[in-house]
Amino acid sequence: DVKVTQSSRYLVKRTGEKVFLECVQDMDHENMFWYRQDPGLGLRLIYFSYDVKMKEKGDIPEGYSVSREKKERFSLILESASTNQTSMYLCASGSLGERLSYEQYFGPGTRLTVT
Amino acid sequence: DAKTTQPPSMDCAEGRAANLPCNHSTISGNEYVYWYRQIHSQGPQYIIHGLKNNETNEMASLIITEDRKSSTLILPHATLRDTAVYYCIVRVTGNQFYFGTGTSLTVIP
Repeated sequence: DVKVTQSSRYLVKRTGEKVFLECVQDMDHENMFWYRQDPGLGLRLIYFSYDVKMKEKGDIPEGYSVSREKKERFSLILESASTNQTSMYLCASGSLGERLSYEQYFGPGTRLTVT
Repeated sequence: DAKTTQPPSMDCAEGRAANLPCNHSTISGNEYVYWYRQIHSQGPQYIIHGLKNNETNEMASLIITEDRKSSTLILPHATLRDTAVYYCIVRVTGNQFYFGTGTSLTVIP
């Protein structure tokens, strides 16, 4: 079974702090993703990476950065946390499968509260 | 961009089939339809995907209309554990998925 793990299930940080969210996958997937999920807005893509050291902006990259130094690890960084970044953060990984289909596998999520 | 439209909520009696519709009228010829579900406080879980033929696996069946503008996810015998938010997704560009707000399915005892 594919396993995607995230460093914390719950995190509380103060405004202005630098926050690191870590994600690790064990299936040698090329692609990794960071989403945030807010009530009424569904899942929104923040950043994704299709290879080591490569990254692409998603729909809402402002206020975030990412790092992918190793294939299995993808980090989301909040340079200076703000209260509007309080949210559920979900990491996913994926790879091209049979028939050129594509599946994403999600971690359990990190619920971040910025006070 | 190919996007999807789903009803915000549905109820289903336990043991009955749950039929969840999805509209994707702007889907292009090589785009798959994917279904995921998210049980409260967990990450989304893959259910099934298809291109133009109907698909079935141990979890569900996927019926795609001939014109591919809509699809239906069928849970043949819904249980209380199937209560979740169900997302219908069309893979748009590269490897990006666009999740909407999904359908909140409540299975009623």
